[in-house]
Amino acid sequence: DVKVTQSSRYLVKRTGEKVFLECVQDMDHENMFWYRQDPGLGLRLIYFSYDVKMKEKGDIPEGYSVSREKKERFSLILESASTNQTSMYLCASSRHTQGAAEAFFGQGTRLTVV
Amino acid sequence: EDKVVQSPLSLVVHEGDTVTLNCSYEVTNFRSLLWYKQEKKAPTFLFMLTSSGIEKKSGRLSSILDKKELFSILNITATQTGDSAVYLCAVIGSSNTGKLIFGQGTTLQVKP
Repeated sequence: DVKVTQSSRYLVKRTGEKVFLECVQDMDHENMFWYRQDPGLGLRLIYFSYDVKMKEKGDIPEGYSVSREKKERFSLILESASTNQTSMYLCASSRHTQGAAEAFFGQGTRLTVV
Repeated sequence: EDKVVQSPLSLVVHEGDTVTLNCSYEVTNFRSLLWYKQEKKAPTFLFMLTSSGIEKKSGRLSSILDKKELFSILNITATQTGDSAVYLCAVIGSSNTGKLIFGQGTTLQVKP
């Protein structure tokens, strides 16, 4: 059974804190993604990675950074959390194919910044 | 800029009704379109469509793609309260990294 696991379901952090969101997949997928989901805006891509140590900015990278030191793990870092980063964060992974492959999602982390 | 638009944004129906959800897209070098269902947790995969005119079907759900007119529909017949969810449409475009571009989602509520 395929699995993408995010380290926390719920997090509450203070403004200015450094926040780490962790994601691990057990499917040996090359691609990993971080999205945030807000009402009315759908899922917006923050960063993605197509290989170890490789990363590319998505549509809304400002205020975030990522780390992929191992194939199975993709971390999202909020350098200095702000209230407008309160959101649901979803991690996903997929195979790297020439055509297309479905992405599998983690259960999400609901982050509240106070 | 790649773009995916879903309509309607929300929908309320009664059990037994049939619903049609729409997804239109503008993507460079289209590769595939995917539908996901999201209840109060991770989105779960429903369908992947790559060719026009070929219907994908799973029980009461079906979907079809029109690559000429750049849209897809997701049909749900004989709706049940368990179909209440957010339905997400995503497209994989020009990047060969498999990056998914999502629409805003359609929130479906099925009343008993």
